[in-house]
Amino acid sequence: AQKVTQAQTEISVVEKEDVTLDCVYETRDTTYYLFWYKQPPSGELVFLIRRNSFDEQNEISGRYSWNFQKSTSSFNFTITASQVVDSAVYFCALRGENNQGGKLIFGQGTELSVKP
Amino acid sequence: AAGVIQSPRHLIKEKRETATLKCYPIPRHDTVYWYQQGPGQDPQFLISFYEKMQSDKGSIPDRFSAQQFSDYHSELNMSSLELGDSALYFCASSFSGRGEETQYFGPGTRLLVL
Repeated sequence: AQKVTQAQTEISVVEKEDVTLDCVYETRDTTYYLFWYKQPPSGELVFLIRRNSFDEQNEISGRYSWNFQKSTSSFNFTITASQVVDSAVYFCALRGENNQGGKLIFGQGTELSVKP
Repeated sequence: AAGVIQSPRHLIKEKRETATLKCYPIPRHDTVYWYQQGPGQDPQFLISFYEKMQSDKGSIPDRFSAQQFSDYHSELNMSSLELGDSALYFCASSFSGRGEETQYFGPGTRLLVL
């Protein structure tokens, strides 16, 4: 079975603080894909990043960075110098190579609140 | 860049009524996915289509049906609506359902069943 766990239900920080959102996944597939999506209060799901299981290189995009570690089955997301506009629910998602039809398995989401 | 279009954006229905949600994928995308997100929950996969053929089915009630048309747009038909069907319904699209591609989501249709 495939599963994604985001243990942090809610996180509250003050603007300019760094914050890390945890994501732990389970899969028996040897090839799989991990994603992060952002859901702001307006409700849409915004794609942030995709990482393939065979590519453990970490990635940085502006204030966002992702740490993928297969050894611990984790794909954590860090926001540096957080801003109020970062307030949203963040979902980590998994897609295994054997997911016929390509469904995404989502974690429960982490609601991030950045206060001014 | 063009995004996934969903209509309507908001829908209010009475119990036992029917509803049709429409999805227009990003141009050249051939795969469409439908997800349901209840209040405070994560999106749950309903069904997907690749090249107009159903490719996977999740926890979609028998009261719901969907199809993908020749122009790749998709429709989700919901009948005998129940209060529990109130949710945000997302459509996503991708190019070539082989697994590695990214799904891009539309803005969602917010359905309220009274």
